[in-house]
Amino acid sequence: DVKVTQSSRYLVKRTGEKVFLECVQDMDHENMFWYRQDPGLGLRLIYFSYDVKMKEKGDIPEGYSVSREKKERFSLILESASTNQTSMYLCASRYTIYRTSTDTQYFGPGTRLTVL
Amino acid sequence: GQQLNQSPQSMFIQEGEDVSMNCTSSSIFNTWLWYKQEPGEGPVLLIALYKAGELTSNGRLTAQFGITRKDSFLNISASIPSDVGIYFCAGLRGAQKLVFGQGTRLTINP
Repeated sequence: DVKVTQSSRYLVKRTGEKVFLECVQDMDHENMFWYRQDPGLGLRLIYFSYDVKMKEKGDIPEGYSVSREKKERFSLILESASTNQTSMYLCASRYTIYRTSTDTQYFGPGTRLTVL
Repeated sequence: GQQLNQSPQSMFIQEGEDVSMNCTSSSIFNTWLWYKQEPGEGPVLLIALYKAGELTSNGRLTAQFGITRKDSFLNISASIPSDVGIYFCAGLRGAQKLVFGQGTRLTINP
C-alpha cells in the first residue's frame, strides 16, 4: 500500500512565524507535490519536485519555499506566516511507469494550518 | 489554471439509490483518476483509468475512460451512508500536472 504521511494534522501558528510542513512517502516515488485547498477555490498547486534537490513553482508559490534533500521527503516552508495562509495543505506523491503507461498520484491526509 | 468540468456540483439522494457523475474536458488526457475526500481528510484514490474505453470497477464503484479521451464517468451503485463526501475527477497528460474537476458533493438521506 502506498503511504504518504504528513507530520501534523493540525497546526496553529502566529503571524510572522516560520512554519515547516513535512511530507514523507514510502514508495520511492520521484514526483512530489504541495497543494493548498480552500473552499470555493479547489486544489491549487504551490510547488512540486521531480527529483532530489529539484523544485518547480506551481500556480501559487508566493510566500512559500520547498526543500527536497532526500527522495522520500518533501518539505513546505512558510518563511513568515500570514493569516491568508490559513488553509488545508495537502502533499502528494506520484509514480509513472512509462513502459505500461501507468501514472497515479496519491495524497497525504492533510495538515490544517491556522495562522493567528 | 485549467480545470475539468465536473457535474453535478452536488447531489442529494436516498440511501440505496445509484449515483452518476462525470467529467469533461476540451483536452485529451492519458490518465483519469477518481478521488473521494471526506471532511478534514486528504483525497483518497478510488479508481485509476489508463486506456480509452476502459471500464474499471472497485466494489460498488465503476468508472469509465471515455472513448474520445476527453471525458470520464463514475457510477456508485446502491449508495450507503458512508459514501457521503466530495468526489473529484483528475486528468493527467504526460509529465504535466494533475488537472482537477471542481468536485461533486454527495449527500445521502438515510
